[in-house]
Amino acid sequence: DTAVSQTPKYLVTQMGNDKSIKCEQNLGHDTMYWYKQDSKKFLKIMFSYNNKELIINETVPNRFSPKSPDKAHLNLHINSLELGDSAVYFCASSRIYEQYFGPGTRLTVT
Amino acid sequence: DQQVKQNSPSLSVQEGRISILNCDYTNSMFDYFLWYKKYPAEGPTFLISISSIKDKNEDGRFTVFLNKSAKHLSLHIVPSQPGDSAVYFCAAAPGAGSYQLTFGKGTKLSVIP
Repeated sequence: DTAVSQTPKYLVTQMGNDKSIKCEQNLGHDTMYWYKQDSKKFLKIMFSYNNKELIINETVPNRFSPKSPDKAHLNLHINSLELGDSAVYFCASSRIYEQYFGPGTRLTVT
Repeated sequence: DQQVKQNSPSLSVQEGRISILNCDYTNSMFDYFLWYKKYPAEGPTFLISISSIKDKNEDGRFTVFLNKSAKHLSLHIVPSQPGDSAVYFCAAAPGAGSYQLTFGKGTKLSVIP
């Protein structure tokens, strides 16, 4: 009965490929998020999304796009992967302030 | 431009003693503050929070203090236990209907048995 789940946990791919990371929450929350934790360990918001509004961090390249088939899912699509995209990506969901995080997906681009 | 700063990358404390983790922020619009705990290879887990209308919130061994004039908050863990060893992140939200969190860089706490 995992609250926020992500797949895959590890993803190794080559530069130039397109990949997706899936996220599902069973908490009934209205808002979902994607974060990137880079090598310096900062957790940076990439997107927040509810059924009304998508908020994009202006620093996120447009190669990254969130896709939400329904309220419980927010998948992350990444096109033309670059070496600098290597990081741990976390999905989260919330009703108000307290966000609940998934276990993370470690993406390695070679 | 870090709006939330945790200036101590690491902290070591003896088991049974108090752990004090500090966090400073620069954005006076921040209205709500949270602490998260993270174990290796896991996602951050919510620990405790405080609204700007309060100066203290307590939950079991964990207490968060907020000093708005100094733009400073701290997390006290007492008594510290070996299972508390983790990375602790401070986070802040602007309120006014925005729930987006800005995180600090984290402090790695090691509790020595």
